[in-house]
Amino acid sequence: QKEVEQDPGPLSVPEGAIVSLNCTYSNSAFQYFMWYRQYSRKGPELLMYTYSSGNKEDGRFTAQVDKSSKYISLFIRDSQPSDSATYLCATDTLIAGGTSYGKLTFGQGTILTVHP
Amino acid sequence: NAGVMQNPRHLVRRRGQEARLRCSPMKGHSHVYWYRQLPEEGLKFMVYLQKENIIDESGMPKERFSAEFPKEGPSILRIQQVVRGDSAAYFCASSPQPGYQPQHFGDGTRLSIL
Repeated sequence: QKEVEQDPGPLSVPEGAIVSLNCTYSNSAFQYFMWYRQYSRKGPELLMYTYSSGNKEDGRFTAQVDKSSKYISLFIRDSQPSDSATYLCATDTLIAGGTSYGKLTFGQGTILTVHP
Repeated sequence: NAGVMQNPRHLVRRRGQEARLRCSPMKGHSHVYWYRQLPEEGLKFMVYLQKENIIDESGMPKERFSAEFPKEGPSILRIQQVVRGDSAAYFCASSPQPGYQPQHFGDGTRLSIL
């Protein structure tokens, strides 16, 4: 079993739709959570990160973490064709002092297409 | 404000040759991480370095692969005697310090083995 599971999709939605992307993880040591967006032939671009359960909002993006069920989500409101990309969830462990270790474990990535 | 710079962007090698991949972290960042992305797979951690030190190389194959981050200059990922299975995209990330400072990635080096 992979430590971080993510449905690879592909996911296709019409412009303006609300998109829900999800990951589950198995390692309770994971306490730091990130979402990256990766366009074709480019490196991952950080969208959001959080280390606490609950919601974190940034513009059209909302990250949600439920540590009790080991479930993380990314919601995209009013999706645009420019949001078409691969979305990667990533986790990291917290070490003493509340810092993250830096050894990220990624999900497989979900391919999203938003069509006009 | 330049981001993480990787070069070359594309590298072609024949089986048995050596591949050298370079990574210059963002200004002010002293922590470098290398990841490998195989086709249809997510990114896999390879090695974590600070200046002149390897902190964690648990994801790196024991043979043929090595990494360094010298006091001056870029970080280097070196693959000796490449094989077809080494074909992948190799990404470098940097951060100013571990903690609430997420990693920022370069655009990768795509290595093709003939």
